[in-house]
Amino acid sequence: AQSVTQLDSQVPVFEEAPVELRCNYSSSVSVYLFWYVQYPNQGLQLLLKYLSGSTLVKGINGFEAEFNKSQTSFHLRKPSVHISDTAEYFCAVMGGYNKLIFGAGTRLAVHP
Amino acid sequence: DTAVSQTPKYLVTQMGNDKSIKCEQNLGHDTMYWYKQDSKKFLKIMFSYNNKELIINETVPNRFSPKSPDKAHLNLHINSLELGDSAVYFCASSPILPSSYNEQFFGPGTRLTVL
Repeated sequence: AQSVTQLDSQVPVFEEAPVELRCNYSSSVSVYLFWYVQYPNQGLQLLLKYLSGSTLVKGINGFEAEFNKSQTSFHLRKPSVHISDTAEYFCAVMGGYNKLIFGAGTRLAVHP
Repeated sequence: DTAVSQTPKYLVTQMGNDKSIKCEQNLGHDTMYWYKQDSKKFLKIMFSYNNKELIINETVPNRFSPKSPDKAHLNLHINSLELGDSAVYFCASSPILPSSYNEQFFGPGTRLTVL
């Protein structure tokens, strides 16, 4: 069965600092991985996805993630964060019948 | 222009009541989903429908009954509401199942509060 573990429930960071949000997955089938962002009181927006090919995936808002098969990880990074990046970030793996299996989320809090 | 819409956005009700949440997508997708986000922000699939046919039912209590009148709509009816049903419910849609990846587009969510 597939599962996702987000290793940090909260990540505080200062504005313009780099950030990494960690995600480990477990899957016995082809791996499709996603990062979604949820701004306060809003729905989920896709940041980026890994389906196949290059292990470094670039997404919206300057985010990128690296798929590492040997470490079963898909960590999300941004070299310089803004206040507006404050949100909840969810890592997900695709399970059978296209369902998304989410991690518990990481709250990114960017401070001035 | 809204791709996936849900009504209502907020729903406050008493224990024991029956309520419905509606979802509509104008993306021409064949598959629709309901996810539940609990108070700890944990997101879990509840149901999915493909062309009005139930595909996924993730051990959700029988009090929850999804209904898909057509492929653009997936409504969620909840009977005998309980305190533990308080959550944010998200609708999503994607193009056809099931053999390959299809991106899911999420609605804005419906915050259900059961008193």
